[in-house]
Amino acid sequence: RKEVEQDPGPFNVPEGATVAFNCTYSNSASQSFFWYRQDCRKEPKLLMSVYSSGNEDGRFTAQLNRASQYISLLIRDSKLSDSATYLCVVPHGGFKTIFGAGTRLFVKA
Amino acid sequence: DAGVTQSPTHLIKTRGQHVTLRCSPISGHKSVSWYQQVLGQGPQFIFQYYEKEERGRGNFPDRFSARQFPNYSSELNVNALLLGDSALYLCASSFPKETQYFGPGTRLLVL
Repeated sequence: RKEVEQDPGPFNVPEGATVAFNCTYSNSASQSFFWYRQDCRKEPKLLMSVYSSGNEDGRFTAQLNRASQYISLLIRDSKLSDSATYLCVVPHGGFKTIFGAGTRLFVKA
Repeated sequence: DAGVTQSPTHLIKTRGQHVTLRCSPISGHKSVSWYQQVLGQGPQFIFQYYEKEERGRGNFPDRFSARQFPNYSSELNVNALLLGDSALYLCASSFPKETQYFGPGTRLLVL
């Protein structure tokens, strides 16, 4: 099992749709989790951090299920500008950080 | 405040050569991490340095090395370049186990 696995995508959704991505992780000791957004040929940028059961920021909601070892990202009312790759990030064993392969999202008019 | 800066932005090398990539963290951040990202994949962890010491290392060969300087800037060195080393190399700074902020990266092409 990979240390961090994400839905491969791509997800193609119309504007205004609600879309959810899942991410599973193998290290049960991980305490914090992150979602980053990466635009084409750009660096990853922090979208949300998740330290407890979940976090919400406007149209974005991240949820954590420790028992099943997965985190999810929900995007409501999708905008064209939400088109990007979403990376699930799990700090692993102290000073090591593992990224998932990313899920590509395309929002269409 | 300036964000994370990396140099050079682009680099073309040939197989067998050596390359040095540079990173300056956000002011006040004491930790620097290096990642390799090939097309279509997520960033792969190479190293993390904190207070000038290596604190974490990913599954990369010994051809990859790094160091951190007293001003917390960092260099990533890759020896004996292979075609497969062509990638975007990302540097991230943090303080130290908190959120990582990425620089724009260095695009390395090995011919």
